Amino acid sequence: NAGVTQTPKFRVLKTGQSMTLLCAQDMNHEYMYWYRQDPGMGLRLIHYSVGEGTTAKGEVPDGYNVSRLKKQNFLLGLESAAPSQTSVYFCASSSEAKDLDNKAFFGQGTRLTVV
Amino acid sequence: LAKTTQPISMDSYEGQEVNITCSHNNIATNDYITWYQQFPSQGPRFIIQGYKTKVTNEVASLFIPADRKSSTLSLPRVSLSDTAVYYCLVGGFNQGGKLIFGQGTELSVKP
Repeated sequence: NAGVTQTPKFRVLKTGQSMTLLCAQDMNHEYMYWYRQDPGMGLRLIHYSVGEGTTAKGEVPDGYNVSRLKKQNFLLGLESAAPSQTSVYFCASSSEAKDLDNKAFFGQGTRLTVV
Repeated sequence: LAKTTQPISMDSYEGQEVNITCSHNNIATNDYITWYQQFPSQGPRFIIQGYKTKVTNEVASLFIPADRKSSTLSLPRVSLSDTAVYYCLVGGFNQGGKLIFGQGTELSVKP
């Protein structure tokens, strides 16, 4: 059982380039999330999805787009990368809350550097 | 979403018990309290969750007073490998799916 898998693990981009980060989960979870974590900081929610075909903005959505065409995949896109987007990106998933409690499972992270 | 307040950092020595308290004064009736642990260069991982009173698992204990306005994560006899950032979260999944992390508490365990 792989859990949550992020691709790629590392990437260096030039300013203005575009790229897509892939998150895949094999737990049949409804909810998926993208976070960024800057050095010495906590996690900040970029976008999230509560089901296939849905997306919603989190705390810091500007400069990013997402898509959830398949339930198991959540894609994070950077259309025109900027140095301020240098960060570690984490994906997470969780099942739909039925009993008001839940737990999220995280991927191993993608370290992105924009030069 | 209920706002949480935790100490930014804590220091401890191996073998000691560590208690990290989280304040959440505006917790809602249906909110659960969940703690995550994050090691350097890794994603957070769930360690414990509770609604009221006390919860214990193989990793930690969670103490929640009757008014639920705070909670305390207790790590018994810490080791160097417990050095990590610990996050307290309240609610989240029952509020439209958002899962917001605060700053967390950076625990440093020394030999």
